[in-house]
Amino acid sequence: EVQLVESGGGLVKPGGSLRLSCAASGFTFSSYSMNWVRQAPGKGLEWVSSISSSSSYIYYADSVKGRFTISRDNAKNSLYLQMNSLRAEDTAVYYCARVHLATIWDFDYWGQGTLVTVSS
Amino acid sequence: SYVLTQPPSVSVAPGQTARITCGGNNIGSKSVHWYQQKPGQAPVLVVYDDSDRPSGIPERFSGSNSGNTATLTISRVEAGDEADYYCQVWDSSSDHPHVVFGGGTKLTVL
Repeated sequence: EVQLVESGGGLVKPGGSLRLSCAASGFTFSSYSMNWVRQAPGKGLEWVSSISSSSSYIYYADSVKGRFTISRDNAKNSLYLQMNSLRAEDTAVYYCARVHLATIWDFDYWGQGTLVTVSS
Repeated sequence: SYVLTQPPSVSVAPGQTARITCGGNNIGSKSVHWYQQKPGQAPVLVVYDDSDRPSGIPERFSGSNSGNTATLTISRVEAGDEADYYCQVWDSSSDHPHVVFGGGTKLTVL
């Protein structure tokens, strides 16, 4: 069974940093591209970042470029999101999601999410 | 950047057909995916590549895509279909490829 479990969320002050992790199991992690998607309270889905299976390709939303860094460790079956210079508008539930088909970039499995709250 | 437009809400009676649209410039040239999200839960992929269904998704869920509009159709709507629905594309047309989600549509079953 495919499982994605996020961790690392919490309360952080504006300007602070946080590192999210996503532990993957039940599939060959190194064969799949992965993503972070967030959802602010009461709002819609917002894509944050994508990384290809071998980390060759990395993409970011304009809203986080230069502040967030996506990475992965295929030996540990883990995906990460380093978030720096956090702002109030970064408050959201952060989901990791697996790419189903790399040619069309759809997301077939999602974790349950981890809540990040940026507040003083 | 590429924009996807969805109606904020759609209402339908049980047993009827719900149609949720997703508008975008020449969206017919892109692959469109649809997600269902119930309160407090993660999104679930219900249609990918315009009209394909993942295993385990009922045949009542179908999709189409042409011109400037993609449509998710839910036939014989049930109370359990009440949820938010999001369309999504991969926009590779610019120097900076990125994922785009529509704003979401709340489906209410009357």
